[in-house]
Amino acid sequence: GDKVKQSPSALSLQEGTNSALRCNFSIAATTVQWFLQNPRGSLINLFYLVPGTKENGRLKSAFDSKESYSTLHIRDAQLEDSGTYFCAAESDSNYQLIWGSGTKLIIKP
Amino acid sequence: EAAVTQSPRNKVAVTGGKVTLSCNQTNNHNNMYWYRQDTGHGLRLIHYSYGAGSTEKGDIPDGYKASRPSQENFSLILELATPSQTSVYFCASGETGGTYEQYFGPGTRLTVL
Repeated sequence: GDKVKQSPSALSLQEGTNSALRCNFSIAATTVQWFLQNPRGSLINLFYLVPGTKENGRLKSAFDSKESYSTLHIRDAQLEDSGTYFCAAESDSNYQLIWGSGTKLIIKP
Repeated sequence: EAAVTQSPRNKVAVTGGKVTLSCNQTNNHNNMYWYRQDTGHGLRLIHYSYGAGSTEKGDIPDGYKASRPSQENFSLILELATPSQTSVYFCASGETGGTYEQYFGPGTRLTVL
């Protein structure tokens, strides 16, 4: 099965609303990265996390290594938040990133 | 100023031809990576490198070679391109020594006819 499972696979929101994206891990993840792939295809670093939380503007992310999940919260969604959000995890047994299949987010005006 | 650049940005190749994708980074990172991304999927690791002269196989290395002649440059080589290698290829660089955060180039769209 998927070592990094993202949910939901797709999400459509009205501008100004809030959302939560989730990654569940079946590996012993030690760090997590969140990326936004924008409509032009560029991968933008959002967060790099060890267990704990980080916040940047309207975005907030948490990583719980014991419960094996990470979340990305988007507050007051804007049109430019549209794109596909990926999480990727690193584990002690493999320093390479293991990627989820992404959450496609569409923000509607 | 972009720290990870890729060339070409778009490439059309013929089946059986040789294709070289180039990546340059100015982050002074030891690690570099080549991934491919197919429609509707996450990234899959092809090859990576720990430094100049080093190349390692990732999850899907078959049909690809890699070359790391210097700290800054990492190439992906398709000796005999096939239509199944049509994809978007991303290069990334990453730090070592406790953090493995990766930074990505803009991608190369390769079509093999």
